[in-house]
Amino acid sequence: GESVGLHLPTLSVQEGDNSIINCAYSNSASDYFIWYKQESGKGPQFIIDIRSNMDKRQGQRVTVLLNKTVKHLSLQIAATQPGDSAVYFCAENTGADSSNTGKLIFGQGTTLQVKP
Amino acid sequence: ETGVTQTPRHLVMGMTNKKSLKCEQHLGHNAMYWYKQSAKKPLELMFVYSLEERVENNSVPSRFSPECPNSSHLFLHLHTLQPEDSALYLCASSPITGAGYNEQFFGPGTRLTVL
Repeated sequence: GESVGLHLPTLSVQEGDNSIINCAYSNSASDYFIWYKQESGKGPQFIIDIRSNMDKRQGQRVTVLLNKTVKHLSLQIAATQPGDSAVYFCAENTGADSSNTGKLIFGQGTTLQVKP
Repeated sequence: ETGVTQTPRHLVMGMTNKKSLKCEQHLGHNAMYWYKQSAKKPLELMFVYSLEERVENNSVPSRFSPECPNSSHLFLHLHTLQPEDSALYLCASSPITGAGYNEQFFGPGTRLTVL
């Protein structure tokens, strides 16, 4: 079946450096992607999303890149801060179904550790 | 806060107990979800409700029984659970837009331990 995966389970970066978290997906029909951040003791929190008709989308200190050719998604965090330490999940939406809710398939997550 | 609350935050139960998890959303959404999050595994979708109707049941054992009395509330009734059911149970909600591009808002989860 389809799956969404991340290349590295853990990423350690120095405070102030840029972070890049990668994700590979396998369903070429997926048309919407989301990055979530999950801090300890909390539920996943929306960071940024991108639709398949775009290659890049920028938010505040974050950028998501989508390469549909190789089915690859990445999250770039600029000037990483200690508060960015968390587990990051990518999720793909396989498109609207008859209920119009749109199912999300999640990857396993990458733990980002920020060193002071 | 995301506008999605879950109670209790922590629950310890024996295998013969019956308990319920509660989720409430204050976002005016029409779809609600239950996920199971186990260590080192991706979030597993359990149930989806759209306009209070169950539209997804991902081969979840019958010892988990969902209930959605209205679009703001979602319950997960638990009975005769197994130790391997210990996990973080997350509730989420989303609007229904018809396009499927629906960001889901998550609650903080209930940490369940089955002894």
